[in-house]
Amino acid sequence: GAVVSQHPSWVICKSGTSVKIECRSLDFQATTMFWYRQFPKQSLMLMATSNEGSKATYEQGVEKDKFLINHASLTLSTLTVTSAHPEDSSFYICSARTSPTYEQYFGPGTRLTVT
Amino acid sequence: AQRVTQPEKLLSVFKGAPVELKCNYSYSGSPELFWYVQYSRQRLQLLLRHISRESIKGFTADLNKGETSFHLKKPFAQEEDSAMYYCALSLRDGQNFVFGPGTRLSVLP
Repeated sequence: GAVVSQHPSWVICKSGTSVKIECRSLDFQATTMFWYRQFPKQSLMLMATSNEGSKATYEQGVEKDKFLINHASLTLSTLTVTSAHPEDSSFYICSARTSPTYEQYFGPGTRLTVT
Repeated sequence: AQRVTQPEKLLSVFKGAPVELKCNYSYSGSPELFWYVQYSRQRLQLLLRHISRESIKGFTADLNKGETSFHLKKPFAQEEDSAMYYCALSLRDGQNFVFGPGTRLSVLP
């Protein structure tokens, strides 16, 4: 149990376009979902925390207008990278947490390449 | 602000040798500490959390509040333990999850 999926697993887009990444909890209800970014050979950096039905809380330095997060249901959160640029190329990972435990279940990640 | 440090980027040990992956944190309150592992080409998965005080795959970790450490230990390393290990900290409310930089463990035959 406790499986989190992400779609797509890999996406290539042109500079200036927008890309949407989906994160789904397949067999549990996720009251909270987290979005991380991971550069090559570096650790995960938390970008934002989203609770179902409310606005996401962004970490300092993360542009909320560029990285739009929607957590419309207890099983789905989306991250939209708007007007993508090559520097946005990275590995984006989501995780989901059930209440009342604090354990996070991680998705497999999405590799974004902006050309 | 909360911070997690893992001083070793890479740790190599021989099979059967003891292994200790160091983790120190800075936070004035009472955090929750976790160890996550990422095997090659697999997603991140939880290995240990300090409140459960259990041993998983032979690994244990003890929270030392005096030294603000949560080192991960295993008495006899196995080749299948080779992976990336991340120490992480969370506040009590489950928000503000902070990961350390990670340590790559390589267990040599």
